[in-house]
Amino acid sequence: KAGVTQTPRYLIKTRGQQVTLSCSPISGHRSVSWYQQTPGQGLQFLFEYFSETQRNKGNFPGRFSGRQFSNSRSEMNVSTLELGDSALYLCASSGGTGQGNTIYFGEGSWLTVV
Amino acid sequence: AQRVTQPEKLLSVFKGAPVELKCNYSYSGSPELFWYVQYSRQRLQLLLRHISRESIKGFTADLNKGETSFHLKKPFAQEEDSAMYYCALKSSAGNMLTFGGGTRLMVKP
Repeated sequence: KAGVTQTPRYLIKTRGQQVTLSCSPISGHRSVSWYQQTPGQGLQFLFEYFSETQRNKGNFPGRFSGRQFSNSRSEMNVSTLELGDSALYLCASSGGTGQGNTIYFGEGSWLTVV
Repeated sequence: AQRVTQPEKLLSVFKGAPVELKCNYSYSGSPELFWYVQYSRQRLQLLLRHISRESIKGFTADLNKGETSFHLKKPFAQEEDSAMYYCALKSSAGNMLTFGGGTRLMVKP
């Protein structure tokens, strides 16, 4: 079974631009979450989608948004990029939400804002 | 609000020595706790979860609700254990994980 797949793996954007990152969850998984990883702030939760509905949201500005499609694939978008948005963005998927449920992570998308 | 604290950013031990990576949490409900590991240039992967009470790669972790801790232990460290270790707490609503800051474990030969 293929793991969580994220594209693109690396990208460089200019301040003020916007970026869209894509995530394909493990087949059959309906829950997709996004995290931002930086050296200073560590791993921080962005949002979670389940069956196309946003279920949880972290403490990030409105410039960060996401969506999930009917095939469970997910995208996140960051508008008006700032230098501080440079980070590794991780996607995670899970088959359910109950106790004992395993959350699997992708390799991430490295975003550099210049 | 839920919070996870890993007090040590770096832990350096010699091969064969015991290892304990500390994790403390605060959560008002019934927590589900995990240890994730990230080896160099690899993705985050689940190492242990508290409800399984299992030993993976010689590592164990016990949830202590009285001390709100979930420390990771291994009696004899191996060089291949060198990695970044993250303690994480999952809330009862959904799959939101709150991570600690991580501890880098270095096992010296």
